Amino acid sequence: AQKITQTQPGMFVQEKEAVTLDCTYDTSDQSYGLFWYKQPSSGEMIFLIYQGSYDEQNATEGRYSLNFQKARKSANLVISASQLGDSAMYFCAMREGRNTGNQFYFGTGTSLTVIP
Amino acid sequence: ETGVTQTPRHLVMGMTNKKSLKCEQHLGHNAMYWYKQSAKKPLELMFVYNFKEQTENNSVPSRFSPECPNSSHLFLHLHTLQPEDSALYLCASSQLGGGATTEAFFGQGTRLTVV
Repeated sequence: AQKITQTQPGMFVQEKEAVTLDCTYDTSDQSYGLFWYKQPSSGEMIFLIYQGSYDEQNATEGRYSLNFQKARKSANLVISASQLGDSAMYFCAMREGRNTGNQFYFGTGTSLTVIP
Repeated sequence: ETGVTQTPRHLVMGMTNKKSLKCEQHLGHNAMYWYKQSAKKPLELMFVYNFKEQTENNSVPSRFSPECPNSSHLFLHLHTLQPEDSALYLCASSQLGGGATTEAFFGQGTRLTVV
């Protein structure tokens, strides 16, 4: 089974509007971390936000917030007040507490286009 | 210095060439990774090094040979590659010991074209 699933290959949003990018995950670990990365056309993966499995509050970082629903195993990224510079690929990732292999599992990504 | 630096940024090589990709991290991390990102495909983990020891090799062909001389440097040696190996190669680092809480930091990648 896929560890991370992103079901939206592409999304469009009007400038200054909010957008939600979906992410579901699969793990049997109690301790895990969820991450979102942004990849502009230049190629670099930029870390945006982190949510721990034991965190009771949803993570927020500026215009980014993570809608964490543990029972549903979802960790959606919400970008508020979209800007043209937000156009990029967005990847959801997970790291398990057992650190088996110490690897990060990535989803297939969502391409976000902000329309002026 | 940026956190994770990869060189070169772009590389064009013939199928009979030998070249190396270099990654250097200035974050004091003790784990380093190589990922391959092909067009319209998800990131593929290639190799993981924890404390300079290789702990993961995801069925990568032997024409890719990693080397980790110390916890700050990671190389990917390339020889007799195929055109389908053309991709963006990303290096990342993270800190072990923090459980699942520590993020990976990525370099800007090397865009490799095999002709």
